[in-house]
Amino acid sequence: AQSVSQHNHHVILSEAASLELGCNYSYGGTVNLFWYVQYPGQHLQLLLKYFSGDPLVKGIKGFEAEFIKSKFSFNLRKPSVQWSDTAEYFCAVRGGAAAGNKLTFGGGTRVLVKP
Amino acid sequence: DGGITQSPKYLFRKEGQNVTLSCEQNLNHDAMYWYRQDPGQGLRLIYYSQIVNDFQKGDIAEGYSVSREKKESFPLTVTSAQKNPTAFYLCASWRQGNYGYTFGSGTRLTVV
Repeated sequence: AQSVSQHNHHVILSEAASLELGCNYSYGGTVNLFWYVQYPGQHLQLLLKYFSGDPLVKGIKGFEAEFIKSKFSFNLRKPSVQWSDTAEYFCAVRGGAAAGNKLTFGGGTRVLVKP
Repeated sequence: DGGITQSPKYLFRKEGQNVTLSCEQNLNHDAMYWYRQDPGQGLRLIYYSQIVNDFQKGDIAEGYSVSREKKESFPLTVTSAQKNPTAFYLCASWRQGNYGYTFGSGTRLTVV
């Protein structure tokens, strides 16, 4: 069974600080990986996704993530955060057809950026 | 524009009642999913369906039921057997190939 672990439940940082959110997954086959963001009072929005190729993926709003297969990790980074990055961030993994193409989410990380 | 429509946006249910949440998509996507979102627990998979007339239990299927009679529709029934149904429910769909998932805008269910 596939699973996703996000180690940090809450992160508080100041504007202009760098952000890195950890994500580890477990799945035996080929995976697709995603980061979603949910701003306060809004719906899920896709930040970035990895299917194949370059393991360093660039997304929207200056976010990027690196897929490290040997570590089963897909950490999200942003060099300099803004107050508007305050949100909850979810890492997710999709297994293949044999796993029902299910998208399994981590528990989320709430990020608070202080102005 | 294509997308997923969930209705209603807000739903109130009395204890002991069954209630059905609607999810309709016009994207011609093959697979559809139901998730439940609770604070601090992320999104958890309730049921999913890869093709018409077929569906599988997710991680928290107890107290829920679904049907997939048409490709476009995947309604979720929250039964009286669900002990803690108050939550935010999200429907999603996925298309074969290297595409992402499309999510609906959700239904917030409150048991009163």
